[in-house]
Amino acid sequence: GAGVSQSPSNKVTEKGKDVELRCDPISGHTALYWYRQRLGQGLEFLIYFQGNSAPDKSGLPSDRFSAERTGESVSTLTIQRTQQEDSAVYLCASSPGTTNNNEQFFGPGTRLTVL
Amino acid sequence: GQSLEQPSEVTAVEGAIVQINCTYQTSGFYGLSWYQQHDGGAPTFLSYNALDGLEETGRFSSFLSRSDSYGYLLLQELQMKDSASYFCAVGNQAGTALIFGKGTTLSVSS
Repeated sequence: GAGVSQSPSNKVTEKGKDVELRCDPISGHTALYWYRQRLGQGLEFLIYFQGNSAPDKSGLPSDRFSAERTGESVSTLTIQRTQQEDSAVYLCASSPGTTNNNEQFFGPGTRLTVL
Repeated sequence: GQSLEQPSEVTAVEGAIVQINCTYQTSGFYGLSWYQQHDGGAPTFLSYNALDGLEETGRFSSFLSRSDSYGYLLLQELQMKDSASYFCAVGNQAGTALIFGKGTTLSVSS
């Protein structure tokens, strides 16, 4: 596709349920990032992929959060046993993966609401 | 750790010039970036400064002073469509991601 896509665009779930959020990066981009944005706040880094490996998972807030990336393309962020504080917009971004990763291309995000 | 400070809100009128400041504290420095985000939209990249000085891209310019740990985004000839949130960001210590400020909401009125 032309840009980064994410699905679903909106997800409403009940506390305690598991959710999976999907990201399709720009074709050929080896670097992929997940961020979280709470209402009225900046973006909070979660995890970074280079190819299929995740050399930086330092932003994952708890062991309920995990992510994987297959085939150097699609990535899935999984949140287990969701809590109300997980409610936020989850943004995925990709970049070519060269030395300068300051220009990142963002998807539209998934708005997660935990009831 | 790393942190960034920027004003929470700025208001201006069409045609005016506005400057959004950003100060940062970092362990190591990997450049200062600026992103624009319209309400409900995806952040989009505006500019990047690795070295001191002014970078100009059309109506938008970005400035960096590494000795002062300070930068700004300058928006000229403001238009209504410039109403959005603007985020400054620096590379993290590992060089693997960006650390964002909390954003500045710019409201442009006619």
